[in-house]
Amino acid sequence: AQTVTQSQPEMSVQEAETVTLSCTYDTSESDYYLFWYKQPPSRQMILVIRQEAYKQQNATENRFSVNFQKAAKSFSLKISDSQLGDAAMYFCASSGNEKLTFGTGTRLTIIP
Amino acid sequence: EAGVAQSPRYKIIEKRQSVAFWCNPISGHATLYWYQQILGQGPKLLIQFQNNGVVDDSQLPKDRFSAERLKGVDSTLKIQPAKLEDSAVYLCASSWDRNYGYTFGSGTRLTVV
Repeated sequence: AQTVTQSQPEMSVQEAETVTLSCTYDTSESDYYLFWYKQPPSRQMILVIRQEAYKQQNATENRFSVNFQKAAKSFSLKISDSQLGDAAMYFCASSGNEKLTFGTGTRLTIIP
Repeated sequence: EAGVAQSPRYKIIEKRQSVAFWCNPISGHATLYWYQQILGQGPKLLIQFQNNGVVDDSQLPKDRFSAERLKGVDSTLKIQPAKLEDSAVYLCASSWDRNYGYTFGSGTRLTVV
C-alpha cells in the first residue's frame, strides 16, 4: 500500500523568488519512483520532475529541483525564479507495482 | 508524439442517467489507467489495464461503473446509473514503462445534476 501526504493546501510566492512544496510518502515497495505533477486550469497533468528511489542524487529540471530524503520518506519540490506560468495545482505522486498514488495537492499562487 | 486523447471534454447529465467516456492512449503504451478526481482532491485510481487485461479494479464501484479496453488500445469508461457524487474529472493516462512516467489526457469534467 502507498500513501502520499501534502500538508500545504496553498502556497504563494513572489515572482522571481524561490518556493518549496512539501511531500511525504509511505510505501511497502522496495522499488518505486516519485513524481511531481503540475495541473493548470486546463486540467491536464503535466510531469514536472521524476526521481528514482534507488538514486541518491536529487533530480533537477531547469528551475525545478527536488530534495529527496529516503530515510525520512520526504520528497520536496523547489521552484527557483518563480514565474507567473508556474501558478497551478502541484501533486506529489508515488509509483510502486505500476500504480501511481497521488497526494491531495498544493495550490501555488505567484504574486506579480 | 500525439498525446492521450479523451472525449468528451465536458458532460452534464441528470442523476440515474448513463454516460460513457472514451480514451485513446499514446501508441505503443501497454498500460492504461482511469482516474477519478473529485474537486479539491488528488486523482484516485479507478482501474488499470495492461494491454486488454485488467490489472487492478479494486477501487472501481462495480455496481455502477464498468470499463473495457478492446484490442488493447482504446478504452471506454461507463457509469450507469450516475449519482450526484460521481461529479468529478475523469482522467485517462497511459505509460510504456513507469521509469518514464505517465502521460495524462485533458480529462472529462462530469457534472451530475
